[in-house]
Amino acid sequence: GQNIDQPTEMTATEGAIVQINCTYQTSGFNGLFWYQQHAGEAPTFLSYNVLDGLEEKGRFSSFLSRSKGYSYLLLKELQMKDSASYLCAGMDSNYQLIWGAGTKLIIKP
Amino acid sequence: NAGVTQTPKFRVLKTGQSMTLLCAQDMNHEYMYWYRQDPGMGLRLIHYSVGEGTTAKGEVPDGYNVSRLKKQNFLLGLESAAPSQTSVYFCASSSTGGEAGELFFGEGSRLTVL
Repeated sequence: GQNIDQPTEMTATEGAIVQINCTYQTSGFNGLFWYQQHAGEAPTFLSYNVLDGLEEKGRFSSFLSRSKGYSYLLLKELQMKDSASYLCAGMDSNYQLIWGAGTKLIIKP
Repeated sequence: NAGVTQTPKFRVLKTGQSMTLLCAQDMNHEYMYWYRQDPGMGLRLIHYSVGEGTTAKGEVPDGYNVSRLKKQNFLLGLESAAPSQTSVYFCASSSTGGEAGELFFGEGSRLTVL
């Protein structure tokens, strides 16, 4: 079966660094997405990885290891506005997205 | 920039009633999707469309119907609502359906079925 696993909730301190992990099992693989979703709002696109390695975009970076079926989202210099849920989604061989349940990130001052 | 607009934002239905959710996008995207989001679960695809006049079933299509008569609009219908359909519904669109097809989401429609 197809499955995306990510932690339910994480807590971090303002100004610190946090890493949100995601493991995936998909039928075929056409990339791994990360979305951010603030409470009561729509998800918004953060990153896309299809090759192994680290993609950096400002304070946010995303890593992919296809051999391990593993990705992480790294958030640096955390700000209170980063408090949100972070959704991991794998794209299968039919280009369908399989979504994780999301990781709720709580930032404390 | 309107992007993806969903109406209504909130709705309360009684079991057995019918309703239609409207999604409109102004980005000339070919692909449109309807998802539902429930607590503790990932987004689940209900139906999708790869172009005007086309629709296809997603992961959880039962109890829902869709239509894409115009490229910019994607309608989701509930013919006979059930309490299990209480959820937040998101419409999304993308310019491509394949890799790197970033999804643009609407603000969501919160539906409660009593």
